Amino acid sequence: DTGVSQDPRHKITKRGQNVTFRCDPISEHNRLYWYRQTLGQGPEFLTYFQNEAQLEKSRLLSDRFSAERPKGSFSTLEIQRTEQGDSAMYLCASSLLAGNHNEQFFGPGTRLTVL
Amino acid sequence: KNEVEQSPQNLTAQEGEFITINCSYSVGISALHWLQQHPGGGIVSLFMLSSGKKKHGRLIATINIQEKHSSLHITASHPRDSAVYICAVRLRAGGTSYGKLTFGQGTILTVHP
Repeated sequence: DTGVSQDPRHKITKRGQNVTFRCDPISEHNRLYWYRQTLGQGPEFLTYFQNEAQLEKSRLLSDRFSAERPKGSFSTLEIQRTEQGDSAMYLCASSLLAGNHNEQFFGPGTRLTVL
Repeated sequence: KNEVEQSPQNLTAQEGEFITINCSYSVGISALHWLQQHPGGGIVSLFMLSSGKKKHGRLIATINIQEKHSSLHITASHPRDSAVYICAVRLRAGGTSYGKLTFGQGTILTVHP
């Protein structure tokens, strides 16, 4: 499969627990994005990487959130001390930065439920 | 006010009808995307536009850069077109094309047989 993959697809956790999500982008893509989508809303930007460098973080990304892309390939998004407000779909997308062409390809998402 | 506004928020149609979903934005952009999201969350990119018009099968997307407006049309709609359609823009500021997307809230389309 050559698409963007995310793991796990679903995560249920108790408030206060830490969770970590993984995203594997399309192999030659140098840009990787994390978005969050709550029910009934469009996705919102969280952060993005170009290769291993984290170039931008949204104000939505509180101190409890951290993202890494250590080797410029897969990325992880960790949420510490989860809160019920963190319940959402976490979407990963990747793209190849080449001139003006920057179409993003999305993964299936990880749905987080915090009890 | 959101930077990207879609209308309508909900749309119900009978099979075979011509459908139009509108997207307006208030910022300078380098590209506009139309995305489709089915229940369960997966997002599929339908179109990426920076000018003019694109067609793929029964789907047509247009953009008017001067008016900061785009439309997605579905001809001969079918129940399998039922999904959420999301407009997203890639901002441009001072000549820089920012990679991240800014999304509209989505249009829920239901096509009845």
